[in-house]
Amino acid sequence: AQSVTQLGSHVSVSEGALVLLRCNYSSSVPPYLFWYVQYPNQGLQLLLKYTSAATLVKGINGFEAEFKKSETSFHLTKPSAHMSDAAEYFCAVNRKTSYDKVIFGPGTSLSVIP
Amino acid sequence: DTEVTQTPKHLVMGMTNKKSLKCEQHMGHRAMYWYKQKAKKPPELMFVYSYEKLSINESVPSRFSPECPNSSLLNLHLHALQPEDSALYLCASSQGTGTALETQYFGPGTRLLVL
Repeated sequence: AQSVTQLGSHVSVSEGALVLLRCNYSSSVPPYLFWYVQYPNQGLQLLLKYTSAATLVKGINGFEAEFKKSETSFHLTKPSAHMSDAAEYFCAVNRKTSYDKVIFGPGTSLSVIP
Repeated sequence: DTEVTQTPKHLVMGMTNKKSLKCEQHMGHRAMYWYKQKAKKPPELMFVYSYEKLSINESVPSRFSPECPNSSLLNLHLHALQPEDSALYLCASSQGTGTALETQYFGPGTRLLVL
């Protein structure tokens, strides 16, 4: 069954530093992969998604992620962190059974230190 | 307009109460979802409506009863809830049939406390 793991439940970076949030997936078939962000007291917002078209996916707010099949990874990066990036980030994968749905990873809380 | 609205923002109810959560979107989306999110946890899918028909019920207890009166509205009726049902309830919508590839747009959620 498809699933995702996120290494590090909490990540802290300095403002202006590189953001790297890790996601590894488990899937017996080519997956669809997603990164969502949840700001405090808000719903989730899609940052980007991988659908097998291109391995480097660019998303909103300067984020991007690279699909690496050999490493079963889909890590999220941003060159320079802003204070406004502080949020919860969820990696997700689709699950193909009798129906199709998105399975979320446990989440990584990102703190940005001024 | 890419907004999904949810009312109320907060709800406190007793275990014998009946209440309803409301979700609305005006994006012309035909798939709508209910998720439950406990603190510091990812969202868990509860129900999916596609073209106003219930297409997915993730084995949710019957004390949660969804309703889709029209393509813009989604309700979640609550009855005889338990304290462990306290959570953030998120509504989302997407363009078509509710497949995983569709971008889901989330509302801000209703924070529910069951006493």
